[in-house]
Amino acid sequence: EVQLLESGGGLVQPGGSLRLSCTASGFTFSSSAMTWVRQAPGKGLEWVSTISASGGSTYYSDSVKGRFTFSRDNSQNTLYLQMNSLTSEDTAVYFCAKGHLTTTSYCAFDVWGQGTLVTVSS
Amino acid sequence: DTQMTQSPSSLSASVGDRVTITCRASQGISNYLAWYQQKPGKVPELLIYAASTLQSGVPSRFSGSGSGTDFTLTISSLQPEDVATYYCQKYNNGAPRFTFGPGTKVDIK
Repeated sequence: EVQLLESGGGLVQPGGSLRLSCTASGFTFSSSAMTWVRQAPGKGLEWVSTISASGGSTYYSDSVKGRFTFSRDNSQNTLYLQMNSLTSEDTAVYFCAKGHLTTTSYCAFDVWGQGTLVTVSS
Repeated sequence: DTQMTQSPSSLSASVGDRVTITCRASQGISNYLAWYQQKPGKVPELLIYAASTLQSGVPSRFSGSGSGTDFTLTISSLQPEDVATYYCQKYNNGAPRFTFGPGTKVDIK
C-alpha cells in the first residue's frame, strides 16, 4: 500500500523554526517528484514546494521562497521541509504528496499524507 | 503569473442533478490541469489529471474537459457522497508552477 506519513508539526513562536518530515512507503520513492501543500484553517489548498525525483531541482511558492528549504533522502525514503522565520501566516496543516508521473516533476498529486499541523503563535 | 479562478464558489444541488464546475487559467496551460475532491475533514484526493483523464478508482460520473484556459468538471448525477470542496490545479512549467484554484463547495439541496 502506498503511504505517506508526515511528522514534526507543532506549536512554534513567530520567528522560530520547525522541520517537517514525510516518510514514504509502498512505491519507488526515488522515481517520484514530491510536494508539500498546506491548508490554513478553514481555507483552501496552497502549493508550497516541489522537489524533483533526484532532489536536484526544487521549486517554491513566492510566499515561502527564501524561508523554507525542501530536501529529500532517497536512501531513507524521507522528505524534509525546513521552515525558518515562521509567521502566523504559515499556520496550516502541511500535507506531503506524491507526483502521479515518474517522468517529470510537472504532474498532479495522486497520493497524500494525512497532514501535520503547524501553529505559529506566541 | 498564471492565476486560477473557479466558479461558482459554492453550489447546492439535488441528488441526481448534473453539476458543472468551471476553472479558468489567466494564461494558457494546455491540458496541465488536475481536479481534486476534498471531503469535510479529509485529505484531498485526485479525481482527474491532464484535464480529462479519470484517476483510477474514481467513479465514472465524474468527467473533465477543456484545454488552454477554460476547463470544466462535471458530475453527471450528484450523489450524497459527493459533498465536498473541489479544487482545480495547474501543473505546467509556468510561474507559479502548481497553483490551486480557490475551490468550489458542493452541497446537497
